Amino acid sequence: KAGVTQTPRYLIKTRGQQVTLSCSPISGHRSVSWYQQTPGQGLQFLFEYFSETQRNKGNFPGRFSGRQFSNSRSEMNVSTLELGDSALYLCASSLNTGGPETGELFFGEGSRLTVL
Amino acid sequence: EDKVVQSPLSLVVHEGDTVTLNCSYEVTNFRSLLWYKQEKKAPTFLFMLTSSGIEKKSGRLSSILDKKELSSILNITATQTGDSAIYLCAGAQVDQFYFGTGTSLTVIP
Repeated sequence: KAGVTQTPRYLIKTRGQQVTLSCSPISGHRSVSWYQQTPGQGLQFLFEYFSETQRNKGNFPGRFSGRQFSNSRSEMNVSTLELGDSALYLCASSLNTGGPETGELFFGEGSRLTVL
Repeated sequence: EDKVVQSPLSLVVHEGDTVTLNCSYEVTNFRSLLWYKQEKKAPTFLFMLTSSGIEKKSGRLSSILDKKELSSILNITATQTGDSAIYLCAGAQVDQFYFGTGTSLTVIP
C-alpha cells in the first residue's frame, strides 16, 4: 500500500513569490491535513480537508490556502512568501470516519520550503 | 485554548539508560492521544491511547494515558542510538490534532 506522497520534496523561492505543494493521501483515506513544522514551534496545524470540504483551519494568515480534489488529493498554496514561511510542510492523511480507531495520522515526508 | 505541552524539551542519555518523556494536554472533546517518532523525515506512528490506565507496549517502548491528570508518558528502556529522534505527542479531537513541540532525545554510545 503506497504511503502519503508529497511533491516537491525541496524547493527554494524568493520573497513575494507564491508556491503550491501537493499531497496524495493513502488510498481510501478521505481526510488530509497540513502542518507547518519549524524548529522550536513544533507542528502547527494549517487546515484539514475531508471529502473536498475544509473542516478546520489553524491560526495562519489568509496567504495560506488549500483545497482537496474528488480523488482526495490535496494542494496547499502560499502566496506572497515571507522569510518566515521557510519550514517543512507536512501532509497527513487518515481514515477519520469518526471512530477513535481511525484517528491515526499517516505522514508524508514533507516539502521543505526555503524562502530567500 | 487547546494545547499540548511536552517535557523535557531535550534529553541526552547514554545507551542502556531508561528515559521517560512527558506529555500533558488540554484538548476539548478529547478522543485520543498519539505518540510519534520523527527522525530526519516523516513522523512515524508509535502509539494511540484512548483508555486511561492501559499500558501499550511495543518492544522497548511503552506508553500510558492518565485521563484524570490529562497526561501521558512514553517510556523507553535500554535505549539505543537508533532511538535518537524527536518524539511528538498529539491530542486528538475528531477532526483536529494538537501537537506538542516535541522532545528531542539524543542517545550517546
